[in-house]
Amino acid sequence: DTEVTQTPKHLVMGMTNKKSLKCEQHMGHRAMYWYKQKAKKPPELMFVYSYEKLSINESVPSRFSPECPNSSLLNLHLHALQPEDSALYLCASSQETAMNTEAFFGQGTRLTVV
Amino acid sequence: GESVGLHLPTLSVQEGDNSIINCAYSNSASDYFIWYKQESGKGPQFIIDIRSNMDKRQGQRVTVLLNKTVKHLSLQIAATQPGDSAVYFCAEKISPPGWQGTGRRALTFGSGTRLQVQP
Repeated sequence: DTEVTQTPKHLVMGMTNKKSLKCEQHMGHRAMYWYKQKAKKPPELMFVYSYEKLSINESVPSRFSPECPNSSLLNLHLHALQPEDSALYLCASSQETAMNTEAFFGQGTRLTVV
Repeated sequence: GESVGLHLPTLSVQEGDNSIINCAYSNSASDYFIWYKQESGKGPQFIIDIRSNMDKRQGQRVTVLLNKTVKHLSLQIAATQPGDSAVYFCAEKISPPGWQGTGRRALTFGSGTRLQVQP
């Protein structure tokens, strides 16, 4: 199983809503990542978890709150988002951050903030 | 055909031709590089990778070339097919600014090139 599964595929939320994005992998990977991708742009790194601990936070606003409940799951909690936060949110996993191995990406959650 | 991937340019090729997609990377300390393919509405899909101790690696119909002297990476696709139409990103594994020397590394993506294959 080389899949990274993200839910939901699409999400529309108001600026006062609270929602969560979910990501799951069963490859035994110990590094998991959140990326944000705007249209016609490359994915931009948001957070890195290594062995279930937050390893890198790329100066992301606090309205985005990541959580890694266990080695297979990664969540991104959303609260009080702005319309400019609308984007494709990608989850990825890899064996370890220090190893030179590929990262596997999910299909993303298309988020629209209204 | 060739492209330089700095502003999401479009490379248009005829089916059956060879394609060359180029990428300039930023960090001379980067030691691992990946090419990803991203189709519309999907996540990036791994194509091929290369470590900095190599200058060439071949896969099925794809070849990656690495020139560390000028910090340049290229992806060659042989006999391009309509199914190859997508956006292609190079990625390098680095420590983000402020995290150097900590062992914390992640993939950073180049700006991408759209490949259009004409039947």
